[in-house]
Amino acid sequence: QKEVEQNSGPLSVPEGAIASLNCTYSDRGSQSFFWYRQYSGKSPELIMFIYSNGDKEDGRFTAQLNKASQYVSLLIRDSQPSDSATYLCAVNGNNDMRFGAGTRLTVKP
Amino acid sequence: GAVVSQHPSWVICKSGTSVKIECRSLDFQATTMFWYRQFPKQSLMLMATSNEGSKATYEQGVEKDKFLINHASLTLSTLTVTSAHPEDSSFYICSARRLAGNQETQYFGPGTRLLVL
Repeated sequence: QKEVEQNSGPLSVPEGAIASLNCTYSDRGSQSFFWYRQYSGKSPELIMFIYSNGDKEDGRFTAQLNKASQYVSLLIRDSQPSDSATYLCAVNGNNDMRFGAGTRLTVKP
Repeated sequence: GAVVSQHPSWVICKSGTSVKIECRSLDFQATTMFWYRQFPKQSLMLMATSNEGSKATYEQGVEKDKFLINHASLTLSTLTVTSAHPEDSSFYICSARRLAGNQETQYFGPGTRLLVL
């Protein structure tokens, strides 16, 4: 079992819709959780982090964490074509950050 | 957010030569930096963990004698690809670990695209 799992996609949503990206992790002791966005040909860029159970909102982005279910998600409201990218989930536990393989999101105009 | 730079941003070299890539944390100190490699349309692959003042820790399958890592200071790590071959052509990305209290975040550099002819 991979330590951090994401659906590779591609996930395709129409412009203006909500995109929902999901991630599960295996290490129950994980403490902090991150979402990175990677445009094609570029390096990953940190967009959100969450440490506590529940929701954390930042503009059009909402990160949701459920430690009991070992599940973290990223919602993107009012999706724009410029949101089209690969989204990487990362989980930190025991001083070691592990990345998922990423979900490719395409927002169609 | 924190800033991590890489130099050069791209490099073309002949087979058999060595290439050095620098990774700097510009506005914070990073006792730990990471080196990744990414081939087109593939996931990030962690190559090694670079620790300031000590030897790097390499992932399984990564040759330490081919990919030399030096973490000379709290803001600089270098990756040297020795005797580069065309199959080493890839996108090399570093990241730096930033500690704020007991919370840790990784910030990525912009990457270095290497083409070996």
